[in-house]
Amino acid sequence: QKEVEQNSGPLSVPEGAIASLNCTYSDRGSQSFFWYRQYSGKSPELIMFIYSNGDKEDGRFTAQLNKASQYVSLLIRDSQPSDSATYLCAVKVPGRRALTFGSGTRLQVQP
Amino acid sequence: EAQVTQNPRYLITVTGKKLTVTCSQNMNHEYMSWYRQDPGLGLRQIYYSMNVEVTDKGDVPEGYKVSRKEKRNFPLILESPSPNQTSLYFCASSLFVGRGGRTEAFFGQGTRLTVV
Repeated sequence: QKEVEQNSGPLSVPEGAIASLNCTYSDRGSQSFFWYRQYSGKSPELIMFIYSNGDKEDGRFTAQLNKASQYVSLLIRDSQPSDSATYLCAVKVPGRRALTFGSGTRLQVQP
Repeated sequence: EAQVTQNPRYLITVTGKKLTVTCSQNMNHEYMSWYRQDPGLGLRQIYYSMNVEVTDKGDVPEGYKVSRKEKRNFPLILESPSPNQTSLYFCASSLFVGRGGRTEAFFGQGTRLTVV
């Protein structure tokens, strides 16, 4: 079992819809959770982080964390074609310096 | 403009020929790190540095070296590259200290390395 799992996609949504990206993790002691956006051929860009159970909103983005079920989600409201990218979930696992990244979910927003 | 700059962006080399990928940041960040990105494996940390002259291994350090003589620079050295080091490499830096420690906030543009 991978430590951080994401569906590779592509996840295709129409413009204006809500895109829901999911990520599960295996270490129950994980404390910090991050979402990065990576456009094709570009570097990852940190867009959200969340530490506590519940929702955290930033503009059109909402991160949701459920530690009991060991999943973290990213919702993108009013999706735009410019949101088309790969979204990487990353987790800070206790005792490890590095972030543990998932392989990413490719999102396609159709005009 | 705040940025992390890597050079070169693309490199094709032969097995065993030493190479260096440079990384420089202009944000006075103490924390810097190197990652490689491979299809299906995600981003994996190679080395990191908490400050000048302080470096440590990440998850996949074999075959790589780093140095941190100045705060702004963190070069990645491949003493004897092999084909399994063909990958996309990213340098990152941060002042961001999240719960659980430093977190990569700024990534360089990436270096696509091919070892033949």
